[in-house]
Amino acid sequence: EIVLTQSPGTLSLSPGERATLSCRASQSVTSSNLAWYQQKPGQPPRLLIYGASSRATGIPDRFSGSGSGTEFSLTISRLEPEDFAVYYCQQYGSSPLTFGGGTKVEIK
Amino acid sequence: QVRLVESGGGVVQPGRSLRLSCAASGFSFSSYGIHWVRQAPGKGLEWVAVISFDGSKKYYADYVKGRFIISRDNSKNTLYLQMNSLRPEDTAMYYCAKESILAAGTSDYWGQGTLVTVSS
Repeated sequence: EIVLTQSPGTLSLSPGERATLSCRASQSVTSSNLAWYQQKPGQPPRLLIYGASSRATGIPDRFSGSGSGTEFSLTISRLEPEDFAVYYCQQYGSSPLTFGGGTKVEIK
Repeated sequence: QVRLVESGGGVVQPGRSLRLSCAASGFSFSSYGIHWVRQAPGKGLEWVAVISFDGSKKYYADYVKGRFIISRDNSKNTLYLQMNSLRPEDTAMYYCAKESILAAGTSDYWGQGTLVTVSS
């Protein structure tokens, strides 16, 4: 099983600032099959990024993903008020599918 | 539009069974794999199981293998999760999620979830 470790646990930033979230895998993720989701309180997750760097339908271009192998990151170029949420990475290259523990982006 | 509606959650005693349903609409249900993903209160996401578009392939997380059964009825556009031998650690919100056509294994539409509480 691939274990995903996200850091930091919490990121305290102000609107307009840049956010960089990290996701480290315990072994190489096959074919960069790494996704990112956003989840707000009381809501289901929302797919942001798949294939490590491709934006899902309707996702603003301030969200970008990068990385390969065991190191991945999600960057939000300029935080909007609606971006404060919890973010999860997920690998889907091998079974079982696994999620990281999440990074909470909170308002400073 | 795509809609997934889970039902069947509730409070159940340890060792008992529960069956969850997920009613789908707004897309060609029989063309997509569907996942169950759970989230314990205040915790992160945990993948549970997936079933292929035609029901021929099913995969489970180790912590539910042998206890949970995923199935689907394409004539009714409905997904199921039969949960047996329930444990307190199975307490969670259970989401069904449609597999994305862009990346198999990811989910582009999710239901609002149904809460399962395992407690005596």
